[in-house]
Amino acid sequence: LAKTTQPISMDSYEGQEVNITCSHNNIATNDYITWYQQFPSQGPRFIIQGYKTKVTNEVASLFIPADRKSSTLSLPRVSLSDTAVYYCLVDTGRRALTFGSGTRLQVQP
Amino acid sequence: EPEVTQTPSHQVTQMGQEVILRCVPISNHLYFYWYRQILGQKVEFLVSFYNNEISEKSEIFDDQFSVERPDGSNFTLKIRSTKLEDSAMYFCASQEGASLSDTQYFGPGTRLTVL
Repeated sequence: LAKTTQPISMDSYEGQEVNITCSHNNIATNDYITWYQQFPSQGPRFIIQGYKTKVTNEVASLFIPADRKSSTLSLPRVSLSDTAVYYCLVDTGRRALTFGSGTRLQVQP
Repeated sequence: EPEVTQTPSHQVTQMGQEVILRCVPISNHLYFYWYRQILGQKVEFLVSFYNNEISEKSEIFDDQFSVERPDGSNFTLKIRSTKLEDSAMYFCASQEGASLSDTQYFGPGTRLTVL
């Protein structure tokens, strides 16, 4: 089971770019990397998923180096509403998702 | 944009009572899940469901729990005799297919409070 490690918390200010790095040294060949966002008392919300190199959507970018042992979620120009917990997950092929403790991002004005 | 819906948003029950939590997955999705999150703790997998049967379950999903897809749209989680420690947010999720790149989409959750 691929284990992920990410910072417990991060602080930022409105308008800044935030990069959250996740390490997953034991990632398997078929694993995808998925990031979710969760607000208090709400369900996890899918942000972005990738396998290698760079993926970008309207919300974020995901950078994955060639060895795939880490990934970085990039949130451009954060706002107060981006304050949430961000989870990095590596799919091991099992259907059950394993959530860690995530990274608690606090955006300040 | 299609989304997973859950009812009720909040359920309060007495210890020992049965509760049924309801979910409507995204319409073309084939895989369904229940997760729970005790306040301040991690999101934990309970059970996955495909083709009208359980495909995987965690050790949390004991005999007190059951799942059902009674019709073409609803997916339910029943807790037969609730305990205080069942108090948590319960999230339903659905997934279109079995590919590793297929994403699970979560509902807003049901807050279950057992008194």
